[in-house]
Amino acid sequence: NAGVTQTPKFRILKIGQSMTLQCTQDMNHNYMYWYRQDPGMGLKLIYYSVGAGITDKGEVPNGYNVSRSTTEDFPLRLELAAPSQTSVYFCASSHGTGAYGYTFGSGTRLTVV
Amino acid sequence: EDQVTQSPEALRLQEGESSSLNCSYTVSGLRGLFWYRQDPGKGPEFLFTLYSAGEEKEKERLKATLTKKESFLHITAPKPEDSATYLCAVHANRDDKIIFGKGTRLHILP
Repeated sequence: NAGVTQTPKFRILKIGQSMTLQCTQDMNHNYMYWYRQDPGMGLKLIYYSVGAGITDKGEVPNGYNVSRSTTEDFPLRLELAAPSQTSVYFCASSHGTGAYGYTFGSGTRLTVV
Repeated sequence: EDQVTQSPEALRLQEGESSSLNCSYTVSGLRGLFWYRQDPGKGPEFLFTLYSAGEEKEKERLKATLTKKESFLHITAPKPEDSATYLCAVHANRDDKIIFGKGTRLHILP
């Protein structure tokens, strides 16, 4: 049972480039989330999805886009990367609204130079 | 506005020295409060969910308690392997998502 799988683990982007962070879960969870974590700032919610075809903005959505075409996959798209998007990105999933906790992936460390 | 504040930011203890971490929250109706453990370079790992004031949950050397305004994570006779960042999060009744605090970095010295 793989849980939540994120790829890539590390990536360096140049300013203005675009990329997609991949997230896949094999637990048949309906809820999925994208967070970014900056040193000393805690986890900030970027986007979330309550099921296939449904997405909504979190606290810090600017500069990002998501899609949810299947239950398993929830990719995060960065358009026109900026240094402010340098961060560690975590994908998570939960059964319902998370009463039994979120399952997190191992993260993607992104540096924009 | 819903808020979660954790204290202290960092804590260094000797092995066997018990202590508590604090999580204060302000939400418009609490649906649940969560504790997570995060090791360096890894994603957070779920520990506990607490739902109502007076509730307690235990796991090995950790015990989480909840009041109407705060939660405590008590660590009894900690070992070096308990070193990690501990995150608190709250779920408000009106939301589909949870809000995380900034965490407490715990370091247990052998």
